Amino acid sequence: GESVGLHLPTLSVQEGDNSIINCAYSNSASDYFIWYKQESGKGPQFIIDIRSNMDKRQGQRVTVLLNKTVKHLSLQIAATQPGDSAVYFCAENFWAGSYQLTFGKGTKLSVIP
Amino acid sequence: EPEVTQTPSHQVTQMGQEVILRCVPISNHLYFYWYRQILGQKVEFLVSFYNNEISEKSEIFDDQFSVERPDGSNFTLKIRSTKLEDSAMYFCASSWFRESGTDTQYFGPGTRLTVL
Repeated sequence: GESVGLHLPTLSVQEGDNSIINCAYSNSASDYFIWYKQESGKGPQFIIDIRSNMDKRQGQRVTVLLNKTVKHLSLQIAATQPGDSAVYFCAENFWAGSYQLTFGKGTKLSVIP
Repeated sequence: EPEVTQTPSHQVTQMGQEVILRCVPISNHLYFYWYRQILGQKVEFLVSFYNNEISEKSEIFDDQFSVERPDGSNFTLKIRSTKLEDSAMYFCASSWFRESGTDTQYFGPGTRLTVL
């Protein structure tokens, strides 16, 4: 079936550098995408979302880019900090037709001090 | 900042026993969800709940599972006869309102269920 997946299972980044986490999705009907951060032993924490009528959205130190042509989503973290170390999931939803979020497997981000 | 809470944080049970996992969603939210995450795997959708009834459920959510909103604050997931493969983290989530487009789901810290 269609699914959300991640290109890189692990990513190590030097503190202060920018991080880019990628995600591919295959459900062309999905129109809402969310990035979640999950620290060890905790639940997914909302970071940023984007709707399919946009191609870029910025938050505090984070930017999400959506390329619908190639069905690709990315999360950019500026000036990565040790506290950013976690597993990052992208999730997709067809919010007008379904209540469920479909999650990717996750990318583990490790920040090197 | 309002948050979703879940109890217990860890539940250990014997195979075949019933368990009830409890959640208190964010107070003004209208949509409630349960997800599970088997160790090392993706977060998987189980069920969504709105207006005191199930809106959508996945294949995982079979007859052994049920959900209930017994009062104005709690949202529970019951597993009637637990199996070894039910061992996982169970996350509750809630969201405000879908049609406006502001349906971001906020997750609780999870309950770790261990079935022996």
